[in-house]
Amino acid sequence: QMQFQESGPGLVKPSQTLSLTCAVSGDSINTGGFSWTWIRQHPEKGLEWIGHINYLGATSYSPSLKSRVSISQDTTKNQFSLRLSSVTAADTAVYYCARSPVVLLAFDIWGQGAMVTVSS
Amino acid sequence: QSVLTQPPSVSGAPGQRVTISCAGSSSNIGAGYDVHWYQQLPDTAPRLLIFDNTYRPSRVPDRFSGSKSGTSASLAITGLQAEDEADYYCQSYDNSLSGSVFGTGTKVTVL
Repeated sequence: QMQFQESGPGLVKPSQTLSLTCAVSGDSINTGGFSWTWIRQHPEKGLEWIGHINYLGATSYSPSLKSRVSISQDTTKNQFSLRLSSVTAADTAVYYCARSPVVLLAFDIWGQGAMVTVSS
Repeated sequence: QSVLTQPPSVSGAPGQRVTISCAGSSSNIGAGYDVHWYQQLPDTAPRLLIFDNTYRPSRVPDRFSGSKSGTSASLAITGLQAEDEADYYCQSYDNSLSGSVFGTGTKVTVL
């Protein structure tokens, strides 16, 4: 069974860049037919789709974050990453990585989440 | 930003049936995109509960069921149990945003 583990700094200063990595075990992200996704959840709030990268390397981002976000993948390390620039306190959230079968458009496997706080 | 609207909370006694609505629009549910549901237990990641409007992963009890009609969808829980106390989210695709959208979330309380 595929498993995901998010990692990265838990504290980021305002105006800096948030960087997170999702390490994948149990199968290869080179497997066709999936998108590798980042989702976040603000404290005591709902879920927000950030964007995804598919097995061909094509990306899609939320319009509200598009100017600041970048998602990439490293197939040699079997991981994919999130970069969010110019962060503010409003970016404080739990960040999840997840898998979406392209024929399903749902998120069937999730990581446990990584809490990131933006504060000086 | 949530474009799918859910009631903030629903509650029921053990054994009762509760339903959660998910209201969308012509650019998401009404455009024919499927609706999926997630359960989030306290301090855990969400997990897929219902996919493609009505289908359950094999590990999900048949007490959970989903439906879709027009621009909205619903999740029903029959025979409510204490372990069902959690937050529930609907999710679909929105063609005006060209991406996935989630519902506002509903907290289910077992009385």
